[in-house]
Amino acid sequence: GAVVSQHPSWVICKSGTSVKIECRSLDFQATTMFWYRQFPKQSLMLMATSNEGSKATYEQGVEKDKFLINHASLTLSTLTVTSAHPEDSSFYICSARDQNSGTDTQYFGPGTRLTVL
Amino acid sequence: GNSVTQMEGPVTLSEEAFLTINCTYTATGYPSLFWYVQYPGEGLQLLLKATKADDKGSNKGFEATYRKETTSFHLEKGSVQVSDSAVYFCALTLNTGGFKTIFGAGTRLFVKA
Repeated sequence: GAVVSQHPSWVICKSGTSVKIECRSLDFQATTMFWYRQFPKQSLMLMATSNEGSKATYEQGVEKDKFLINHASLTLSTLTVTSAHPEDSSFYICSARDQNSGTDTQYFGPGTRLTVL
Repeated sequence: GNSVTQMEGPVTLSEEAFLTINCTYTATGYPSLFWYVQYPGEGLQLLLKATKADDKGSNKGFEATYRKETTSFHLEKGSVQVSDSAVYFCALTLNTGGFKTIFGAGTRLFVKA
C-alpha cells in the first residue's frame, strides 16, 4: 500500500527555537495533505489542510503564523513550529490524500514527537 | 455538526475473548466510515473501511458494518490476541465542501494472555 513518511520521528528543542517537520508521500502524488496534533491519550485534532501550490487552510483556533505549512511539491509538505514553547510539545501526525487511479484514500505518517524544553 | 462517538476505554479482555467497540456518528451528507489502529508510539494504520450503507469492512479478523439506520459502525472481532492491544479510532470522512476526517476519542484495548 501507499506509504507516507515523516521526518524526524522525534525532536527535542529549546524554547524559542523553530522546528521543521517533513511529510512525504513516497509512492504517489498528493495534492492534499493534512496535519494533525495528538495530545497524550487523546484523539487526533486536525490543524490544517495543505494544498499543493496554494495556502494552507487552518482550522479554527490554530495560529497560522505559529504553525507554518508549506506544500511546495506533490510529494512534500512541511510544518514549521515557530518560536516553540513547552505547550507546543505534542505528537504531530500528517496524512496524504491519494486520489490517483480511481481511489480516494488517506494515508497517515508515523508521527513526529516534539518535546520543547 | 459532524461528530463521532465511541465507547470509552480502556477495554480489558482475556485472549480469545469476543471484542465489540461501539461507534456512532452524526453527519450531514454521506460519509465514509473507518476504523484505525494506533500502536504505542506509532501513527495510525487503516484497519478497515466502508463507503456506503450496509457495506461491511473486514481485515485481520476485525469487521464492522455501516448501519445508516442506527448511524453506527461497531467494531467486532471474534477472538482477540495479545497483539491486538492498541488504541482504536473510529472516524468518518466527508467529501462535500472539502475533504475532512473527524475522529472519535479512541478506545484503548488491553488483551491479557
